[in-house]
Amino acid sequence: DTAVSQTPKYLVTQMGNDKSIKCEQNLGHDTMYWYKQDSKKFLKIMFSYNNKELIINETVPNRFSPKSPDKAHLNLHINSLELGDSAVYFCASSHHLGLAVNTGELFFGEGSRLTVL
Amino acid sequence: SQKIEQNSEALNIQEGKTATLTCNYTNYSPAYLQWYRQDPGRGPVFLLLIRENEKEKRKERLKVTFDTTLKQSLFHITASQPADSATYLCALADFGNEKLTFGTGTRLTIIP
Repeated sequence: DTAVSQTPKYLVTQMGNDKSIKCEQNLGHDTMYWYKQDSKKFLKIMFSYNNKELIINETVPNRFSPKSPDKAHLNLHINSLELGDSAVYFCASSHHLGLAVNTGELFFGEGSRLTVL
Repeated sequence: SQKIEQNSEALNIQEGKTATLTCNYTNYSPAYLQWYRQDPGRGPVFLLLIRENEKEKRKERLKVTFDTTLKQSLFHITASQPADSATYLCALADFGNEKLTFGTGTRLTIIP
């Protein structure tokens, strides 16, 4: 069974469209994250949720809205897509906020490659 | 400003030799430093964590050192194998800050 799964794996869309990426973890973890990896492979945190509550919200445009219906799911909705949004988006989870650092157990999904044309 | 830099974008090492990767940081007081491996088209996978009061950590052929005076961590792979070829990322978090920040990564290629 996949621990952290994201869908879709690939997403190609036109500028101005709205799209969503879904993430689910079956590890029983309390904390989930969205990271963005750009073309230079730089991995940057966007958001984190702990038990459905937003904990970290980096300087991300308002067009990006995370939603956590329960602690096993963290979805990312992007409005009015721009060319610069093209990247690989990674979902990750950890047992407790802070324990990702204490134990190193940050589990990543396989990534969702978004291409905006 | 805070920075995490990994010594080189790409590193080629002959099979059987020790590969050494460097992670330098500026304007952080890290509680912990971690190393991850990322294969093409895959998500990063955790390898090792070292705390700020630890000098060295080992796991099989992997060794990590942490020098808070030099603000540097070294990641060693001994008896390197072609299967070790991947991008390696260091990551750290400040005391009291739950955010894990990643370095720029080093793409390691082990040449048979």
